[in-house]
Amino acid sequence: QITLKESGPTLVKPTQTLTLTCSFSGFSLSTSGVGVGWIRQPPGKALEWLALIYWDDDKRYSPSLKSRLTITQDTSKNQVVLTMTNMDPVDTATYYCAHRLDWNFFDYWGQGTLVTVSS
Amino acid sequence: EIVLTQSPGTLSLSPGERATLSCRASQSVSSSYLAWYQQKPGQAPRLLIYGASSRATGIPDRFSGSGSGTDFTLTISRLEPEDCAVYYCQQYGSSPWTFGQGTKVEIK
Repeated sequence: QITLKESGPTLVKPTQTLTLTCSFSGFSLSTSGVGVGWIRQPPGKALEWLALIYWDDDKRYSPSLKSRLTITQDTSKNQVVLTMTNMDPVDTATYYCAHRLDWNFFDYWGQGTLVTVSS
Repeated sequence: EIVLTQSPGTLSLSPGERATLSCRASQSVSSSYLAWYQQKPGQAPRLLIYGASSRATGIPDRFSGSGSGTDFTLTISRLEPEDCAVYYCQQYGSSPWTFGQGTKVEIK
């Protein structure tokens, strides 16, 4: 079955760069139509889509965060990595990675990882 | 960017009642590319509906979706206690993919 799990630091300082890893199983990012996205959710607030990487290595970013985000894949390790530069306290959120197939909705989600930005 | 506005903000109903949740888009959502998710406290979102009206695998048939263009609805025909959650709509017709702000369903 499909599973995803996020990992990374729980606390980062303002201006630092955040690196999150999504480790997945049950599918291959080499399969046509497959993609992995990142979505975040500040405490008590709504979901916000951040980035998406496709099986063909095409990438999409939220325009409001594009300058700060990079999404990459390591197909051999079944991992997707998201980096976000210049972190700010407003970036405090639970960060989720999720699977998509053929269309850009998300049918499987990781459990999420809470990242707090504070000095 | 398509802005999704969900209403009401909170819905408080008794078990067995019908819940009707609205999602309105700031512009037409192409090909009814609209999904609904359920999120319980401390959990990740769970896909309920895609393509405006198709139920995801394993979703009970008391959940149904409808609508097109700019107006979409999620209906829970007979509320059960475990349906207590926040429900989000998401459009995937045009990038950036966007979510609504959520509707909280409370069970009396």
